[in-house]
Parts: sequence; structure tokens; C-alpha cells
Amino acid sequence: DAGVIQSPRHEVTEMGQEVTLRCKPISGHDYLFWYRQTMMRGLELLIYFNNNVPIDDSGMPEDRFSAKMPNASFSTLKIQPSEPRDSAVYFCASSRLRTGALYEQYFGPGTRLTVT
Amino acid sequence: TQLLEQSPQFLSIQEGENLTVYCNSSSVFSSLQWYRQEPGEGPVLLVTVVTGGEVKKLKRLTFQFGDARKDSSLHITAAQPGDTGLYLCAGAAETSGSRLTFGEGTQLTVNP
Repeated sequence: DAGVIQSPRHEVTEMGQEVTLRCKPISGHDYLFWYRQTMMRGLELLIYFNNNVPIDDSGMPEDRFSAKMPNASFSTLKIQPSEPRDSAVYFCASSRLRTGALYEQYFGPGTRLTVT
Repeated sequence: TQLLEQSPQFLSIQEGENLTVYCNSSSVFSSLQWYRQEPGEGPVLLVTVVTGGEVKKLKRLTFQFGDARKDSSLHITAAQPGDTGLYLCAGAAETSGSRLTFGEGTQLTVNP
């Protein structure tokens, strides 16, 4: 089975530009998570969806960040306008309801974002 | 807010040595996972523990969940260079839905 797919793998953009990160979760998984990882702050949860509905977006840093999940097989994380401090690796993860192992998450390879 | 503290933060050892990584919290977790992350890749799930006192073995790796479900440890026997990576523990609190709380990670380097 294919794992979580993210694109692009690398993104370099200039401050002020719009950035869109994409994620395809594992088929059959009904939870989708967006994380940001930096050396200073580690792995931070930004937002997560259940059955395409946003459940908790308290980790989204500010209004410049938005996320959507129009269907069960696709999600986007958008930053507009981007700033240098947004530079990080962004991960998408998915999971599904399983008795005794509900919270196992499977991560994609990440998108390394550099904002200059 | 549930916090998970991992120790040590960095660990550099020689091939063949044993090591233990700790994950501690003041909160109770309904389950706890351990992940390993290699450079340029996402975290990969190693194991899930759900019962207090549970011990799981994965080849040379032994995972233990504390009796009170507040802490966990990862022990590696006869470490190999291929064990090098960032080890992350992550807990699911009973009241947090499907949200995981991640520790800061332990960066392990095994030198040949």
C-alpha cells in the first residue's frame, strides 16, 4: 500500500509569496494531521481533520495559515503571505480508528520549506 | 496541557553498547507510541503500548509502559550504526481525542 504522499518535497520561495503544501493520506484513514518541525520547537501539531472536518486548529500559528480537506484523499496547507520564520519541515500524517491502537499515526516524507 | 519529557536529549555511543531512553510525564496516557525519524524522512512508528506495565520487544529494542501509564522507556541492546536517528515518544491522553503529544526527541548516534 502507498504511504502518505506529500508534495512538493522541497519548496523555496520569497517572503510574501503564497505557498501551498499538498497531502494525500493513506486510503481508508479518516484522520489527517498537519505538523511543523523545527530544531527549536520540535514537532508541533498545527491542525487535524476527522472525516474531512477540521477538529482542532489551535496549533495554527496565525491567520496567514489555512488548511482544507475537500475530500477524503486530499488536503492542503496554505501560507499567505509567507515569512522567513515559516521555514521548517511540514509533515502530514494520517490514522484510522482501530480498537486498542486508535492513535497510531503514519507520516509522509515531509515538505522542506525555505522562505528567503 | 500534557507534556512529555524525553531524556537524554542527545546520546552518542559506540557500536555494541546498550542504551535506554526515557519518556516521562505527569499526565496519564491511554496509549503511547515510539517513533524513529531518519534525516530527510518522516517519523516511522515503531511500537504502541496501551496497558500499564506492558513490555514489548522488537528485535533488539525493548519498550516498557509504566504501571501508572505516565512514563515509558526504550532500551536498545547491542546498538548498531543503523539505529542512529531521532527517537520520539508520543502519548494520547484520554481526554484529547485523537491528538498526540510528542516529546522533544532523543538524537541517538551510534558510531562504528
